[in-house]
Amino acid sequence: QVQLVQSGAEVKKPGASAKVSCKVPGYSLTEVSMHWVRQVPGKGLEWMGGFDPEHGKTIFAQKFQDRLTVTADTSIDTAYMELSSLTFDDTAVYYCTTNYDFLTGYYLGWFDPWGQGTLLTVSS
Amino acid sequence: DIVMTQSPDTLAVSLGERATISCRSSQSIFHSSNNKNFLVWYQQKPGQPPKVLIYWASTRGSGVPDRFSGSGSGTDFTLTISSLQAEDVAVYYCQQFYSAPRTFGGGTKVEIK
Repeated sequence: QVQLVQSGAEVKKPGASAKVSCKVPGYSLTEVSMHWVRQVPGKGLEWMGGFDPEHGKTIFAQKFQDRLTVTADTSIDTAYMELSSLTFDDTAVYYCTTNYDFLTGYYLGWFDPWGQGTLLTVSS
Repeated sequence: DIVMTQSPDTLAVSLGERATISCRSSQSIFHSSNNKNFLVWYQQKPGQPPKVLIYWASTRGSGVPDRFSGSGSGTDFTLTISSLQAEDVAVYYCQQFYSAPRTFGGGTKVEIK
C-alpha cells in the first residue's frame, strides 16, 4: 500500500514561513499530482492547492495564492509545501495527498492516500 | 466555486440504528461525459487522516463495509450507515471533484446516542 510520509511538527512565529515535506517512498514524483489540504483544530478540511494534470500546472485556492508555494525535488521523490507570512490562524494540521492512482497510473478525482499530517503551530 | 453544504452538523444515533447524512452542492456535479456524479465521501477518525468511503457518489471504496452506502445525483446526495457500529464514530465529509477548486462539505460528526 502506498504511503505518504510527512515531516514532523513545527512551531513558528507570526510572520515567518513554514515548509512541510511529503515523501512517497518507492515511487517517482514526476507524475504524481500532489495536493495539500489543511485542517484547523476542531474544524473541517480545506483544500489549499495542488498539481492539475489536465492543465499541466499547479493551482491554488484563492486565499492562499499569494503566500503558498508548492514544489518538488524529484531526485529524492519529495514534495514540499511552503506557507509564508504566517499568522495565528495558520495553526493547523497540514496534509499532503494525491489523486494519482499508483496502481493504474491514472488520475482519479478523489484524494487517496493521505499523509499522516503535520501539525504547524504559530505562536509568539 | 462550488459550495458543499452538509447536514446535520452532529448526528447522535443508537447502536444498530440507521444514520443518514446529507450533502448538497451549489451546482450540479453530474457529468454527462461518463454519467457519473463527481462526489466522494470520506470518514475521518480522531488523530487520523481522512479515508475514502464512497466515490462516484455511490461506489464503495476498497474494504469499506457494506453497511455504508451512497446515493443521490445532481446536487443532492446522501451517505447512509445502515446499522451504526461503535467503530463508525467519526466525522464524515463530502467533497466534489467536478471542478477546481476541490471543495469539501463542513463535516458531520456521528456519535453514539
